[in-house]
Amino acid sequence: DIVLTQSPLILPVTPGEPASISCRSSQSLLHGNGYKYLAWYLQKPGQSPQALISLGSGRASGVPDRFSGSGSDTDFILTISRVEAEDVGVYYCMQALEAPLTFGPGTKVEIK
Amino acid sequence: QEQLVQSGAELKKAGASVKVSCKGSGFIFNGYFMHWLRQAPGQGLEWMGWINPNNGVPKYAPKFQGRVTVTRDRAISTAYMELSSLRYDDTAVYYCARGDAEYLLDVWGQGTTVIVSS
Repeated sequence: DIVLTQSPLILPVTPGEPASISCRSSQSLLHGNGYKYLAWYLQKPGQSPQALISLGSGRASGVPDRFSGSGSDTDFILTISRVEAEDVGVYYCMQALEAPLTFGPGTKVEIK
Repeated sequence: QEQLVQSGAELKKAGASVKVSCKGSGFIFNGYFMHWLRQAPGQGLEWMGWINPNNGVPKYAPKFQGRVTVTRDRAISTAYMELSSLRYDDTAVYYCARGDAEYLLDVWGQGTTVIVSS
């Protein structure tokens, strides 16, 4: 199975400031079609997860443009340009290159 | 709007089976993979399997192979996940999620709590 690690596991943030989360894969997530099969999700407290980023860098429908994704074939970053209070929750990266789909352990974002 | 609505909470004895349903609306149900995941209390997300809408063929995570069965009824836009031989550590919230062409899980159900007790 592909193993994903995230850092940090807990991220205290200040509203209005930028924040970033790292996700590292145990193997390349680059598909033969040229896309990197890495997605990001946010699970707000008491809610189901919601999609943020697809294929490493594409924002899902309805996601604010303060969220962006980038990275190489194995190292990915989710960046929030200016954190808002509503962004608190647990952020997960997920690989969809091969089954079983696997998730990182999650990064808890909380307000300082 | 596009949504997935799951069946209600379940309380089961160890060794029993549970079947969770997931009804889609607001979109063409047969055009998407349907994934099943779970989240144990205080833990992260775990993928269990999916069902291919075109041929109805499922694919399961090795961890659940032999214990999980994913099916769908196209006529009523509903997917099902049945987990057998329940153990205490199967206590979790179970989610269905729609998978798009890039395997992004873009619509999620509200979750179904399954508690396994003695």
